[in-house]
Amino acid sequence: KNEVEQSPQNLTAQEGEFITINCSYSVGISALHWLQQHPGGGIVSLFMLSSGKKKHGRLIATINIQEKHSSLHITASHPRDSAVYICAVYNNNDMRFGAGTRLTVKP
Amino acid sequence: DGGITQSPKYLFRKEGQNVTLSCEQNLNHDAMYWYRQDPGQGLRLIYYSQIVNDFQKGDIAEGYSVSREKKESFPLTVTSAQKNPTAFYLCASGGLYEQYFGPGTRLTVT
Repeated sequence: KNEVEQSPQNLTAQEGEFITINCSYSVGISALHWLQQHPGGGIVSLFMLSSGKKKHGRLIATINIQEKHSSLHITASHPRDSAVYICAVYNNNDMRFGAGTRLTVKP
Repeated sequence: DGGITQSPKYLFRKEGQNVTLSCEQNLNHDAMYWYRQDPGQGLRLIYYSQIVNDFQKGDIAEGYSVSREKKESFPLTVTSAQKNPTAFYLCASGGLYEQYFGPGTRLTVT
């Protein structure tokens, strides 16, 4: 079993829909990251969380440390949100990555 | 502009040849990392370096080698001993709890 599991693997939505991507992890962590990878391959960091909730524009990330679970929400989704979203956890100087969720938002 | 550069973006090699992927950063980070990404899998750590002239094997170091002669540079050599070298390679540098990624190099070996 992977240390970081994401669901769903693939997600297709219509423009304007509310999106939720889930991440569960099985190790103790110092921080959790949500990353975005566009088709060109480059990765950018969206959020770093150690507790609670963060919001940036239409993106919201939450984490429940007791349940070892995090969610990434996208409100009013747009085709430019189409990307792979990756959950990564930081533990003991080591980052572990989920396999990613491929999101496609159709106009 | 501060950031991480990787070159080239696409690289093609014949089987049996060694190939070196470049990674440079001007973020003044001590730590640098190399990851491999395959379809449907999470990023896997190949090598990392916490400081100049020192580096450690990651989870999948076999068939790869690195050097860290300068703080800014962390080149990765994919040797002919790597059984499945075709992949997307990402370099990162970072501080505590956080890593910044380069644009990646897609290597195809035929």
